Amino acid sequence: SQQGEEDPQALSIQEGENATMNCSYKTSINNLQWYRQNSGRGLVHLILIRSNEREKHSGRLRVTLDTSKKSSSLLITASRAADTASYFCAVSGNTPLVFGKGTRLSVIA
Amino acid sequence: KAGVTQTPRYLIKTRGQQVTLSCSPISGHRSVSWYQQTPGQGLQFLFEYFSETQRNKGNFPGRFSGRQFSNSRSEMNVSTLELGDSALYLCASSSRGGVEEKLFFGSGTQLSVL
Repeated sequence: SQQGEEDPQALSIQEGENATMNCSYKTSINNLQWYRQNSGRGLVHLILIRSNEREKHSGRLRVTLDTSKKSSSLLITASRAADTASYFCAVSGNTPLVFGKGTRLSVIA
Repeated sequence: KAGVTQTPRYLIKTRGQQVTLSCSPISGHRSVSWYQQTPGQGLQFLFEYFSETQRNKGNFPGRFSGRQFSNSRSEMNVSTLELGDSALYLCASSSRGGVEEKLFFGSGTQLSVL
């Protein structure tokens, strides 16, 4: 299965700290995407990293991709209470986007 | 530009009934995908439509069906509802549904089956 698996399942940090979430997958991919979901709402696209890229930045987000280890990480720097949400990785190969079960991030003010 | 619109937002049905959910994609988007989200299984892909044709289908029973209209609006139908069908149903659109594209999600329809 291409499905990404996020780790940890849940993460609780203080405001201002950095949050790191990891994603592992099993097959070759075209790209890997990260999405965010606030409770009970739709997902919002955060960042896409292609299989030939190793690192990408967007604001306070930094994503890395290691295709040899079939893993990716999402780093949120200087977290805020508003970053509290679930974060999903989604891998794209020859099939529609397949999502993992997500990491629930709680940022405590 | 308006986002992806899903109606209704909440729905309560009883076992054995059928339900139809609606999704209006972002203007100009021709690909619509449907996902089922439950706490235990996470996001599960249901199907994808592009230009009124089902292009991909997930591993769900035949009770789950969908269609897309010429204006790209999409509906999904679940017949003979079961308790396990209780979930958040999410619709997502993209321009062409290509592997390089990001998905734009609606807020979902929360279906409760009693």
